[in-house]
Order: sequence, then structure tokens, then C-alpha cells
Amino acid sequence: GAVVSQHPSWVICKSGTSVKIECRSLDFQATTMFWYRQFPKQSLMLMATSNEGSKATYEQGVEKDKFLINHASLTLSTLTVTSAHPEDSSFYICSARGRRLWDTQYFGPGTRLTVL
Amino acid sequence: DAKTTQPPSMDCAEGRAANLPCNHSTISGNEYVYWYRQIHSQGPQYIIHGLKNNETNEMASLIITEDRKSSTLILPHATLRDTAVYYCIVRLLASQTGANNLFFGTGTRLTVIP
Repeated sequence: GAVVSQHPSWVICKSGTSVKIECRSLDFQATTMFWYRQFPKQSLMLMATSNEGSKATYEQGVEKDKFLINHASLTLSTLTVTSAHPEDSSFYICSARGRRLWDTQYFGPGTRLTVL
Repeated sequence: DAKTTQPPSMDCAEGRAANLPCNHSTISGNEYVYWYRQIHSQGPQYIIHGLKNNETNEMASLIITEDRKSSTLILPHATLRDTAVYYCIVRLLASQTGANNLFFGTGTRLTVIP
């Protein structure tokens, strides 16, 4: 149980385009989802937290107009990187917590974004 | 959330027990100790968590000292697939703070050697 999936697993796009990444909780309802970013040889950095049906809360320094997060259902959250630039190339990881899973976050496999 | 200190890297022979230490000397009474690991190019995987009693599950054991200022994650029989970065995280429960985010430090890079 407690499986989180992400799609796509990797994506290459041109500078200036937008990319959408999906995060799904497959066997539980995720009341809260989190988006992290990880640059090479660095640790995970939290970007934003979203509760189902509410606006996401962004960490300091993360542009909310650039990283659009939607958490419209209890099993799906999306992160859209708008007008992507090469410096946005990173490993994006989502995690989810369900109301019945005692406070444990479960992570997706990650999406590697490369912006040319 | 309390800060944790972990050694940057460790080696362990395959089949032997891997003991990963974590110092959290500023932990408060109601903060939990969580362990996650991240295998290269994958998302973090939850391993175990505890408050003050030792915990064991199918993956590992967690030993927390009586004063709770440090803990050790034990992988009883390390395999090559256990090579990963292991993160020790100390935090309150979401029900206690209303927050539920995990802050990852630099972790310990465990290399299991054949």
C-alpha cells in the first residue's frame, strides 16, 4: 500500500515552453501533497505544500506564478513549470499524505526535467 | 524542527549489519525521529520512525537512546540494493503543528560493498 506515482518519469523540453508533471496517490486518498526539487548532488528542497481543494502554500523563494500547482482531487496533484528555462532543469519529486496514514509521507519516483 | 547530524558517508560489507548513527541533541520531548532513504535517481523511501521506544519493521530497526539525543538505524543484513543516501529527520507530528513537511539534510551515503 501507500504507492505514489509520477508522470512522466523524464521530460525534455525547449526553453520557453511549459511542462506539466502529474502526481497520483494510487491506493489512498491524499489530503496533502508536497512538491520537492532536487539539484544534482544536493538534498531535497521543499517547493510547496498543497491541500486538496485549496491553494498551494509556497516556500520562500519559489515563484508561484512560475510553478503552478493544482490539487483538484484527493488522488491527483499537478505541477506545471511555466516558461521553463535551463536553470529549471532538476529532479522534481512529489509526496503525499493521507488522512488515514499516520502522518507518514510517501514519495513518488520523481520526474527528471531537462530544459534545452 | 530539531537539527540532525549524520556522517556524510559509510561503507558496509554485504551481508553484515549496517549501523547508521544520527545525532539530534536538541530534540524536544514530542518530536519523532524519521528515517528515509533515497536510492540514486529515485524518490525517497520511508523506512521507519519512532518517538522513544525502539522500533522494528521488515526493513530495519531503530534504536533511540534513553535521553533521545541520538539514534541508530540498523539494517540487519545489508545487500547491494541498500546502497543509498539515508536521511534522519526529526519533526513533530502534523497533528501537533498543523504542518506536515519534511526537511531533508544531507544524509549519510551508505555504500554496501560486495
